Amino acid sequence: AQSVAQPEDQVNVAEGNPLTVKCTYSVSGNPYLFWYVQYPNRGLQFLLKYITGDNLVKGSYGFEAEFNKSQTSFHLKKPSALVSDSALYFCAVRDGSYGGATNKLIFGTGTLLAVQP
Amino acid sequence: DTAVSQTPKYLVTQMGNDKSIKCEQNLGHDTMYWYKQDSKKFLKIMFSYNNKELIINETVPNRFSPKSPDKAHLNLHINSLELGDSAVYFCASSLRTGAAEQYFGPGTRLTVT
Repeated sequence: AQSVAQPEDQVNVAEGNPLTVKCTYSVSGNPYLFWYVQYPNRGLQFLLKYITGDNLVKGSYGFEAEFNKSQTSFHLKKPSALVSDSALYFCAVRDGSYGGATNKLIFGTGTLLAVQP
Repeated sequence: DTAVSQTPKYLVTQMGNDKSIKCEQNLGHDTMYWYKQDSKKFLKIMFSYNNKELIINETVPNRFSPKSPDKAHLNLHINSLELGDSAVYFCASSLRTGAAEQYFGPGTRLTVT
């Protein structure tokens, strides 16, 4: 069974500092990994994904994520945080080796990022 | 220009009532989803349709019945509403199943009193 863990409920960072939001995953085959962001009272927005290829994936709003197979991690990063980055971030995974249409995306529990001015 | 839209945005109703939430996407996607987000922000898939065909049906009470009249629409009907149904319901769509990213609607906040 596939699963994803976000060990931190909340991450606090000062504006201008680098930020990291952690995610680890478990799948039996090849992982397809995603990051989504949810601003207050809004739906989720896609940030980036890793399917194959370069382990460092670049996405929207200056975010990037690093796929680490040995540590089964896919941490979200940004070199310099903005107050406007404050939101709820979700990591998600699906097993890419299983190509069935019923293969669903599993979301983590979310990490609230708070960027202080 | 709205990609995935849902109506209504807010829904307040009493226990035992029947209500529907509508979803439409204008992205030309083949696959649509319904998710439930509880008060702790935990997000769980309920249903998925691909080209009007039901492909994912999670362990959801049969009081919940999705309907897809065409691939651009996926509605959710809920019978005999219960207090525990209070949540935010999100519709989403993707170009296809598989590796495609999903596009979410703004959500419908359902409150059952």
